[in-house]
Amino acid sequence: SQQGEEDPQALSIQEGENATMNCSYKTSINNLQWYRQNSGRGLVHLILIRSNEREKHSGRLRVTLDTSKKSSSLLITASRAADTASYFCATDRSGFQKLVFGTGTRLLVSP
Amino acid sequence: DTAVSQTPKYLVTQMGNDKSIKCEQNLGHDTMYWYKQDSKKFLKIMFSYNNKELIINETVPNRFSPKSPDKAHLNLHINSLELGDSAVYFCASSQDPGTGREQYFGPGTRLTVT
Repeated sequence: SQQGEEDPQALSIQEGENATMNCSYKTSINNLQWYRQNSGRGLVHLILIRSNEREKHSGRLRVTLDTSKKSSSLLITASRAADTASYFCATDRSGFQKLVFGTGTRLLVSP
Repeated sequence: DTAVSQTPKYLVTQMGNDKSIKCEQNLGHDTMYWYKQDSKKFLKIMFSYNNKELIINETVPNRFSPKSPDKAHLNLHINSLELGDSAVYFCASSQDPGTGREQYFGPGTRLTVT
């Protein structure tokens, strides 16, 4: 069954605001990754957080991981119109050599 | 400069036809993947090859046959196309099949079966 469920399904904010997306998963994992997909394009890797890490930063992105709750969040600070895209979490379960993607959050940032 | 490329970008065909999608990566990666993204944006792995050998086959109908002539190429051939095959197909690659590797995606091939 699908590993990741994302929340919210859609998020609409103004430029300059922060955007928070959440991902929940069902089984133990080695790593969790976040990807961005612009409309009509392929996915682009944003950040990877390992199961022994709790927080990671990359530019305006902040990712947290709570393995006890089997959840992760992606925070985009000071959002820009160019951040408009779908965001997916992806997990790789212990012992499995594949990524399982979540349902995605569609983010719309209005100027 | 394109890292992972796919052809064609769009493919419109009738039920029952056979079609192929090609993928090439110039990143020197050992592992390549095919994913299917449905109309609800749900992305699911179909196949994975490592150094030309099949390592993941995700219960895909045998009408779908991947072929990897070398580790830089992974093609997908689909026989007897059905309406339900309509989707966007993405090729991806990673340095190796180990966990914790980021994947690089191609631009996708939008397949429409009529």
